[in-house]
Amino acid sequence: AQKITQTQPGMFVQEKEAVTLDCTYDTSDQSYGLFWYKQPSSGEMIFLIYQGSYDEQNATEGRYSLNFQKARKSANLVISASQLGDSAMYFCAMRESIILTGGGNKLTFGTGTQLKVEL
Amino acid sequence: EAQVTQNPRYLITVTGKKLTVTCSQNMNHEYMSWYRQDPGLGLRQIYYSMNVEVTDKGDVPEGYKVSRKEKRNFPLILESPSPNQTSLYFCASSLSTGGMDTQYFGPGTRLTVL
Repeated sequence: AQKITQTQPGMFVQEKEAVTLDCTYDTSDQSYGLFWYKQPSSGEMIFLIYQGSYDEQNATEGRYSLNFQKARKSANLVISASQLGDSAMYFCAMRESIILTGGGNKLTFGTGTQLKVEL
Repeated sequence: EAQVTQNPRYLITVTGKKLTVTCSQNMNHEYMSWYRQDPGLGLRQIYYSMNVEVTDKGDVPEGYKVSRKEKRNFPLILESPSPNQTSLYFCASSLSTGGMDTQYFGPGTRLTVL
């Protein structure tokens, strides 16, 4: 089974609207972290937001929030008030505990969602 | 400015010609890692290092070597590149190994092997 699943290869949203990018994960670990990264067309990977498995509150960073539903193993990214500059590829990633991964701070990535913001 | 740098940013080479992609971070991070990004596959880890002189294989290590002689540098070496190593490569670092520290990525190196 895929560890991280992003089922939306591409999404369109109108400027100023909110958009939700889906991410589901699979782990037997109790301690893990979920990350979202943005990759604009220029190629760099930009960290957006982090959610720890033990965090009771959903993470928020400015216009980004993470809708964390632990029982459903989902960690959807919500972007409010979309802007043209939000057009990019978005990756969900998971960090499992060092015990499970055998060492190393490895991130397991999904295949990404290409978001296009339109006027 | 805190950052991860990679060089070169773009490289076109031929099969079998040894190359090195450099990675350097100025944040005194313990953990460094290399990933490759291919369409439809997301990013996959090649090698990682938990500290100086400590390196280990990730998910796709075949055809690559790394070294960590200094804390700040983590070069990726392709001894005999092949066309299937054409990819976008990222170096990343994080403060520590055991926690859930955010990984910060370099700008990427786009490699084409002819």
